[in-house]
Amino acid sequence: KAGVTQTPRYLIKTRGQQVTLSCSPISGHRSVSWYQQTPGQGLQFLFEYFSETQRNKGNFPGRFSGRQFSNSRSEMNVSTLELGDSALYLCASSRNGMANTGELFFGEGSRLTVL
Amino acid sequence: QKEVEQDPGPLSVPEGAIVSLNCTYSNSAFQYFMWYRQYSRKGPELLMYTYSSGNKEDGRFTAQVDKSSKYISLFIRDSQPSDSATYLCAIGGSQGNLIFGKGTKLSVKP
Repeated sequence: KAGVTQTPRYLIKTRGQQVTLSCSPISGHRSVSWYQQTPGQGLQFLFEYFSETQRNKGNFPGRFSGRQFSNSRSEMNVSTLELGDSALYLCASSRNGMANTGELFFGEGSRLTVL
Repeated sequence: QKEVEQDPGPLSVPEGAIVSLNCTYSNSAFQYFMWYRQYSRKGPELLMYTYSSGNKEDGRFTAQVDKSSKYISLFIRDSQPSDSATYLCAIGGSQGNLIFGKGTKLSVKP
């Protein structure tokens, strides 16, 4: 069974640009969560989607947005990039649809560098 | 006060040692407690989870939750070089997300 797939794995952008990251969850998983991981802050919750609806959202500015498609694939977008957005962006899918009960399956992440 | 606090280490031990990793949390309403392991350049993977106070064993790993002290621990017995990774505690938050500790980097030397 294929795991969570994230693309692209690495990307470099400059300040002010925008970026779109993609995530394909494990087949049958309907909940997709996004996390930002940095050395200073660790893993921080961005948002969670279930059946194409944003169900929960973390404390990030509106420049961070996402969506989920009918096949459960998800994308996240960051507009007007800042240097501080450099991070590993992790997508996780949940089998039971409850993203806070621990059974999250993570992808390998998209490493974004903002210059 | 942060919701979840974890000693970042790094922690270096010889092969065969017993490793103790710990986290504290602030909200007594939290009910779900997990440990994730993250190898370099990989995403985190679920190692253990529990919903109640007490101990839970899985092979060389034991997860312990003390709700009265708001303290969770992970013990690794007979540690192996392959256990070298960053260990993240995580707690199920009320906003439908996981709240992670910052992780403890463990190195097991042969």
